[in-house]
Amino acid sequence: DAGVIQSPRHEVTEMGQEVTLRCKPISGHDYLFWYRQTMMRGLELLIYFNNNVPIDDSGMPEDRFSAKMPNASFSTLKIQPSEPRDSAVYFCASSSYLAGVADTQYFGPGTRLTVL
Amino acid sequence: KQEVTQIPAALSVPEGENLVLNCSFTDSAIYNLQWFRQDPGKGLTSLLLIQSSQREQTSGRLNASLDKSSGRSTLYIAASQPGDSATYLCAVERGSQGNLIFGKGTKLSVKP
Repeated sequence: DAGVIQSPRHEVTEMGQEVTLRCKPISGHDYLFWYRQTMMRGLELLIYFNNNVPIDDSGMPEDRFSAKMPNASFSTLKIQPSEPRDSAVYFCASSSYLAGVADTQYFGPGTRLTVL
Repeated sequence: KQEVTQIPAALSVPEGENLVLNCSFTDSAIYNLQWFRQDPGKGLTSLLLIQSSQREQTSGRLNASLDKSSGRSTLYIAASQPGDSATYLCAVERGSQGNLIFGKGTKLSVKP
């Protein structure tokens, strides 16, 4: 398996523009997680899905952020409009459900977002 | 609110030394604790997962312990190598669905 795939790897945009980050989880995994990593706040969970259904979005910072998972092999995280404080590395991770508990999470390489 | 703290923030050691990284958490009601490794510009790689009912896990030169009652975990690295240089993150899971809370990590540098 190719692992978790994220695109783009780097994104530079101007304040006010819409940004869409993409993630393809590992085939067969039924959990998908979106994280944000900054120097100040470290790694924070934004939202996670189980079987394509959002379970907990309490980490999403504000209404400018939205995430979707239209099918088991694709998810998007959208920021509209983007602001300089959204600059961070965004990670996607996936895991499977084994014997009633979630297994360890497998992380993608991340998308480094810079909002000017 | 669960908080995870890792001390020290950075550590530099000579090659061959045994070392210990520390992780503490404020709420002992955890489902499991995990240690990850992050290389510069890369994603996280899982190293060890300790279930709440376990006391330790071992993988090669790595050994992680868990003391839920005191809210502490340690990651022991034996005979460190330059290839071990990376940031090590500790994370606790609040429930059974993978909701992880991370510490800010310890940046390890192993000098040849």
